[in-house]
Amino acid sequence: NAGVTQTPKFRVLKTGQSMTLLCAQDMNHEYMYWYRQDPGMGLRLIHYSVGEGTTAKGEVPDGYNVSRLKKQNFLLGLESAAPSQTSVYFCASSYWLKEDYEQYFGPGTRLTVT
Amino acid sequence: GQQVMQIPQYQHVQEGEDFTTYCNSSTTLSNIQWYKQRPGGHPVFLIQLVKSGEVKKQKRLTFQFGEAKKNSSLHITATQTTDVGTYFCAGPSAGNNRKLIWGLGTSLAVNP
Repeated sequence: NAGVTQTPKFRVLKTGQSMTLLCAQDMNHEYMYWYRQDPGMGLRLIHYSVGEGTTAKGEVPDGYNVSRLKKQNFLLGLESAAPSQTSVYFCASSYWLKEDYEQYFGPGTRLTVT
Repeated sequence: GQQVMQIPQYQHVQEGEDFTTYCNSSTTLSNIQWYKQRPGGHPVFLIQLVKSGEVKKQKRLTFQFGEAKKNSSLHITATQTTDVGTYFCAGPSAGNNRKLIWGLGTSLAVNP
């Protein structure tokens, strides 16, 4: 099992450009999450999904859109990139059972917006 | 809103010294999780505590969940250079248990 994979691993964008980050998991998890991580600010939830076809906003959703057309994939889109979106983006997935809340993380995408 | 606070933010120790990081929640938690992130890596799940007063050990790491289920600690005995990284605690959101509320993490540096 590959677990959680993310593509691309690195990307440099110019202000105003768009891009899509892909997250894929092979663990049949219902829940998937997109976080961004900036120095000193921990992990901040951008959007999440509790199942195929459903998405919800996290704490920092502005400037991002997401889609979950297939259970195993969760896409994060930046329509018009801004320098403030320079960050490391992590995707995570989990079951959400009574005794099992563990989140499994992908390796991350390092995005620079110039 | 619901918050999870961790202290200290940074800790530098000499190899062989002990290390402790503390996690405090503004609300009672059904469970608390701990993750480790190595420099340049991604967070990796360490453990989950569920019961009030629970103590779990993983080799040199000891995890505790407070009696009121609002605080937790991670203690590392005799640190090694392999312990370097950031340690995060996280608990389920009170309003929607399908999200985790994360602490900002404690970054541990170990001098050999």
